[in-house]
Amino acid sequence: QKEVEQNSGPLSVPEGAIASLNCTYSDRGSQSFFWYRQYSGKSPELIMFIYSNGDKEDGRFTAQLNKASQYVSLLIRDSQPSDSATYLCAVNSYGTASKLTFGTGTRLQVTL
Amino acid sequence: SQTIHQWPATLVQPVGSPLSLECTVEGTSNPNLYWYRQAAGRGLQLLFYSVGIGQISSEVPQNLSASRPQDRQFILSSKKLLLSDSGFYLCAWSVPRRGELFFGEGSRLTVL
Repeated sequence: QKEVEQNSGPLSVPEGAIASLNCTYSDRGSQSFFWYRQYSGKSPELIMFIYSNGDKEDGRFTAQLNKASQYVSLLIRDSQPSDSATYLCAVNSYGTASKLTFGTGTRLQVTL
Repeated sequence: SQTIHQWPATLVQPVGSPLSLECTVEGTSNPNLYWYRQAAGRGLQLLFYSVGIGQISSEVPQNLSASRPQDRQFILSSKKLLLSDSGFYLCAWSVPRRGELFFGEGSRLTVL
C-alpha cells in the first residue's frame, strides 16, 4: 500500500515569512513528486514538480527532494495571504499513466 | 493551450438514481484521462484512468463505471447511487509518460 503522509495543520505563518510544508512517502520506487495548491471548494492546481534529488526553485516556491529519506518539502518565501490554501503532496511511480498517490494535505494560513 | 472542462459543477441526487459526469479536454491529442474522488476530509482517490479510446482501468471496486467514447472525452457513470458516493469528483488529464496531472473544475455530488 503506497502512502503519502502530511501534517494536516493548520500551519500558521505571518505575512512575509517562509512557510515550510513537508511530506513523506512509503514507496521507494516513486519517481516523480508534485505539489498542488487547493483553495477551499476548488480543484487542485499544480504548482511544482520535482524528479531529482535536491532543490528546484520557481519564483517564491522551492521544492526539495531527498529520496534516501523518502522526504519531499515545499518552501514558500515571502508568504502572502493569497497563499492560504491546502497544499497536497503527490507521488508517482514510473509508468504510462500518472497514477498519483496524494496525501491528505496541509492547510496553510498566512496571517496579516 | 490545453483546457479541461467537466460538468455539471454541482448536483444533488437521490439514492438509487443514475449518474453521468462528463469531461472533455481541448488542445491536446491522445491524453491520459483520469477520474478522482475527494471525499470530505479525505485525500484524492483515483477511481479510473484511461490511456486510449475504450481503454478503462479501474482502481477501486465500486458501483461506478467509466467510459471513453472519444479521444478527449471521459464519462463517469452509475446506475444506482449510494450515499457513500457523495463527494467532489475531479477529472484530470496528463501527457502519456509524463507525470504532471491537470485537473478540471470538479463536480460536487451530494447523494441524499
